[in-house]
Amino acid sequence: DGGITQSPKYLFRKEGQNVTLSCEQNLNHDAMYWYRQDPGQGLRLIYYSQIVNDFQKGDIAEGYSVSREKKESFPLTVTSAQKNPTAFYLCATRLLGLAGASDTDTQYFGPGTRLTVL
Amino acid sequence: AQTVTQSQPEMSVQEAETVTLSCTYDTSESDYYLFWYKQPPSRQMILVIRQEAYKQQNATENRFSVNFQKAAKSFSLKISDSQLGDAAMYFCAYRSAGTYKYIFGTGTRLKVLA
Repeated sequence: DGGITQSPKYLFRKEGQNVTLSCEQNLNHDAMYWYRQDPGQGLRLIYYSQIVNDFQKGDIAEGYSVSREKKESFPLTVTSAQKNPTAFYLCATRLLGLAGASDTDTQYFGPGTRLTVL
Repeated sequence: AQTVTQSQPEMSVQEAETVTLSCTYDTSESDYYLFWYKQPPSRQMILVIRQEAYKQQNATENRFSVNFQKAAKSFSLKISDSQLGDAAMYFCAYRSAGTYKYIFGTGTRLKVLA
């Protein structure tokens, strides 16, 4: 069954702890993204990866880290340096290719992970 | 820097009626893509419709259509024959051609009244 999976669905963290959110895809998409969603705000980009072993910081990368060791996986670590980590986190993928093709323009999203800091 | 503005935090529509959600954007680019995404209570983001800026024809997907006014930098979403399942947050998004970054508006919450 093709798609994007994120786990866990709900995650609780104590202050000072690092946690890792999982994002896996079997769509064979090249690019992967991590977004943060807060109430009343749109999606804000944390990190982006276009190919394996390469990634770029987004608008709010401070306190977060990522890795891209294989095409299918793009885990996000929320470190203790992130001052306000409670939020909903969305992973997305995109197929890279010819411009103007609908399947290369569009992002597809996973179901998300709700992170709560206790 | 490009921005996307959704000026209606919340809208309501009667079931079977038509509603239009507004989106404006600011860019100096000429080649870009625009999207409407739906986020129901499950929070799964679902693509509703996309529009290429170089196409003058407005995109349509079943009951969903857009009014794309490139000169005015406006990209509104019209939902016809509204259904209870249309109740959701709707996000407008922009991406400049040749870049990886998508810019999202703050969303409009649509309520559908039975």
